[in-house]
Amino acid sequence: ETGVTQTPRHLVMGMTNKKSLKCEQHLGHNAMYWYKQSAKKPLELMFVYSLEERVENNSVPSRFSPECPNSSHLFLHLHTLQPEDSALYLCASSQDLYNSPLHFGNGTRLTVT
Amino acid sequence: QKEVEQDPGPLSVPEGAIVSLNCTYSNSAFQYFMWYRQYSRKGPELLMYTYSSGNKEDGRFTAQVDKSSKYISLFIRDSQPSDSATYLCAMTALNFGNEKLTFGTGTRLTIIP
Repeated sequence: ETGVTQTPRHLVMGMTNKKSLKCEQHLGHNAMYWYKQSAKKPLELMFVYSLEERVENNSVPSRFSPECPNSSHLFLHLHTLQPEDSALYLCASSQDLYNSPLHFGNGTRLTVT
Repeated sequence: QKEVEQDPGPLSVPEGAIVSLNCTYSNSAFQYFMWYRQYSRKGPELLMYTYSSGNKEDGRFTAQVDKSSKYISLFIRDSQPSDSATYLCAMTALNFGNEKLTFGTGTRLTIIP
């Protein structure tokens, strides 16, 4: 496996379910990110980790909970989601936080019913 | 006013045409500019980046930056059906980390054989 791998590719969950999205990077990068991508909207940064420490939390609702157990893995735990949370969730990594290009995974397409 | 404006398209052009994709921005501190390409059901991938005003060429692709007008462009020469994708511009200030990266909404491009 190379690059940034996200699982699952698709997820359908009810509003009362709890699920987790997983991201793994094989690039030796030090920073990892969660983005939300919705139609006709810019990519929305949710969380940033650098060297396993959370750097940024852009006022994301508490029903989204990130976890970064090591520099290669990133999780997004989901609970009590709303239909408006349906979107493509992208994980990315970069060598470090500054002037270092982002490498994206192929995303998890989430549908909340 | 949005920090970054990008025409969402869709834009359809015949194969072999020159394509021009554009973004405008309002923050004069932005000095690091990127173009990402996103194929359907894939994550964005970095296509080109530039720090300075003027043109940067890479094969059939040319990135152009006009800081005085706060305007960036991506030109694709001899467009191919494989260029059909959504193109995202992104930008930040040089002393900002990736957590400050600002994306456009993306332009969906279709090259017609």
